[in-house]
Amino acid sequence: DQQVKQNSPSLSVQEGRISILNCDYTNSMFDYFLWYKKYPAEGPTFLISISSIKDKNEDGRFTVFLNKSAKHLSLHIVPSQPGDSAVYFCAAGAGNNRKLIWGLGTSLAVNP
Amino acid sequence: NAGVTQTPKFQVLKTGQSMTLQCAQDMNHEYMSWYRQDPGMGLRLIHYSVGAGITDQGEVPNGYNVSRSTTEDFPLRLLSAAPSQTSVYFCASSPSGPVYGYTFGSGTRLTVV
Repeated sequence: DQQVKQNSPSLSVQEGRISILNCDYTNSMFDYFLWYKKYPAEGPTFLISISSIKDKNEDGRFTVFLNKSAKHLSLHIVPSQPGDSAVYFCAAGAGNNRKLIWGLGTSLAVNP
Repeated sequence: NAGVTQTPKFQVLKTGQSMTLQCAQDMNHEYMSWYRQDPGMGLRLIHYSVGAGITDQGEVPNGYNVSRSTTEDFPLRLLSAAPSQTSVYFCASSPSGPVYGYTFGSGTRLTVV
């Protein structure tokens, strides 16, 4: 059973608009969450993280929101750019446990 | 600044052969890990290391060995390749754990026939 779920396999957005990527989790022990971006034939690139003691974290065009009661987080990209077209992975971890749990990814296409 | 370097990028093995996937980082990161990525399965942790001389198993360690003799290098050994080990393998490093975000290598695509 997947503990981290990205229910939308793909998303298409117009350049300049907002992209919202969603992630749900089932394990209430998770206390930090990360988003990675992956281009074809490359390794994932770390984008942004959030601790469970916060409900929002921003870094430039990227903002992650965490709703602990709903066990849901989302990544907002504003404004979206064609170079943002990639697969986005959500990952979660708990305390000193070294093992991240990864979602299956959402493929984002930003159309010019 | 090279980051995390993986070699080779592509490899085809016959069932039963052994090989070593190389991983090196130049960022003085203590924490290194190996993942495999399979369709429909996401990224799964094979082995990890919290520093030179210290390694531990991840979710899917069977059929793989690792060692960490230096901070820089973390090779992954396939002892006797099986078709189920056909996958894309990623090495990653972090200053002191996954909470700080990993730097990933570009991956090794392995096919076992």
